[in-house]
Amino acid sequence: DAKTTQPPSMDCAEGRAANLPCNHSTISGNEYVYWYRQIHSQGPQYIIHGLKNNETNEMASLIITEDRKSSTLILPHATLRDTAVYYCIVRGGTSYGKLTFGQGTILTVHP
Amino acid sequence: GAVVSQHPSWVICKSGTSVKIECRSLDFQATTMFWYRQFPKQSLMLMATSNEGSKATYEQGVEKDKFLINHASLTLSTLTVTSAHPEDSSFYICSVETSGAKKGVGTGELFFGEGSRLTVL
Repeated sequence: DAKTTQPPSMDCAEGRAANLPCNHSTISGNEYVYWYRQIHSQGPQYIIHGLKNNETNEMASLIITEDRKSSTLILPHATLRDTAVYYCIVRGGTSYGKLTFGQGTILTVHP
Repeated sequence: GAVVSQHPSWVICKSGTSVKIECRSLDFQATTMFWYRQFPKQSLMLMATSNEGSKATYEQGVEKDKFLINHASLTLSTLTVTSAHPEDSSFYICSVETSGAKKGVGTGELFFGEGSRLTVL
């Protein structure tokens, strides 16, 4: 699976949009981009995933660049409960179930 | 609601004893479950893939005789840490993948349990 690069930490004010970037320049055509987050001492929580089209669900939006070499996770109105480690993961169809976690981005939402 | 449930959520044991952790798929049948381990301030590392009715597949460097995995039913996988030592103290997390029918096999949502924190004294 392709490797991803994320900033180690980011801050965001409560109520504002949080935009978390991820670089995956070696992504191949059949690999999806997944986003998970982990709140302290809990299991990771699925957020969203996509292939090449932008995706939106009740939690967040995923914007994937046209060349697919990078993506941005957007939390439209961050709350204090969104403080967590956010993982961007690239996974292809042949690596069924396997997720290779990097170090992620520690997002801190402050009042 | 929760898709995957783990039990116990935390356990403390003496060195040399064995500890069993259960992972249950609540909403669907899972032929495959995955076990991860996370040390403090580190990321998750895949330990093994649990296959219903067959032997588990272990990642490189994970001792299969120390971390026994049993997947006897479509909703339950267990991880037993045998002869636990302090260095086995960690956060153990299981995961299950839902059907990726809409986007293809291997591209579904992967749900994680709440995790089980093991402390070996």
